[in-house]
Amino acid sequence: DQQVKQNSPSLSVQEGRISILNCDYTNSMFDYFLWYKKYPAEGPTFLISISSIKDKNEDGRFTVFLNKSAKHLSLHIVPSQPGDSAVYFCAASDSNAGGTSYGKLTFGQGTILTVHP
Amino acid sequence: DTGVSQDPRHKITKRGQNVTFRCDPISEHNRLYWYRQTLGQGPEFLTYFQNEAQLEKSRLLSDRFSAERPKGSFSTLEIQRTEQGDSAMYLCASSWGLAGGTGELFFGEGSRLTVL
Repeated sequence: DQQVKQNSPSLSVQEGRISILNCDYTNSMFDYFLWYKKYPAEGPTFLISISSIKDKNEDGRFTVFLNKSAKHLSLHIVPSQPGDSAVYFCAASDSNAGGTSYGKLTFGQGTILTVHP
Repeated sequence: DTGVSQDPRHKITKRGQNVTFRCDPISEHNRLYWYRQTLGQGPEFLTYFQNEAQLEKSRLLSDRFSAERPKGSFSTLEIQRTEQGDSAMYLCASSWGLAGGTGELFFGEGSRLTVL
């Protein structure tokens, strides 16, 4: 049972344009969400997160949107750069008393983003 | 380098052999996690420690798998009587398990296991 799904295995965009990566979840207990980026031969690195009490969180070129009613989140990268080419994982968690993830993450399958110069 | 380090990076073994992986977390982090990643999938949670206490184990973690964190610092993951289905990337991560912050995990580069 895939509780976190990234239905697009790959995405190709032109440099300077917007990249939109999507993620759906089924478990209503999830209330904290994270995006990780992974380059080949490296471990995943944290990009951005969002708590279920918010519907948007921005950090520079990266914005995550959360639609709780649809159990859907998306990551927007604007403008996209060739260095953004990587695998992007969506992850979800219950939250701890402080309102952040306590670390047991459920990951999606990943989306390979390729940004062409 | 003060990130999460894992050893060995690659391990090739024959079916039925035992293997052990080591993880050294970021020194000030009190939580340590093991995940497993197979080709085309995202990482799957296996187990986690807070200091030396193993607080949760996934049902994915069969009896052949055992993890320890004896002094609350480094951790080992042992797989006994390896099977071909154990072939995967084993990822270790650490975090500072208090409220606040982003809740992010810091991952190591992983230990890739190939069982022949």
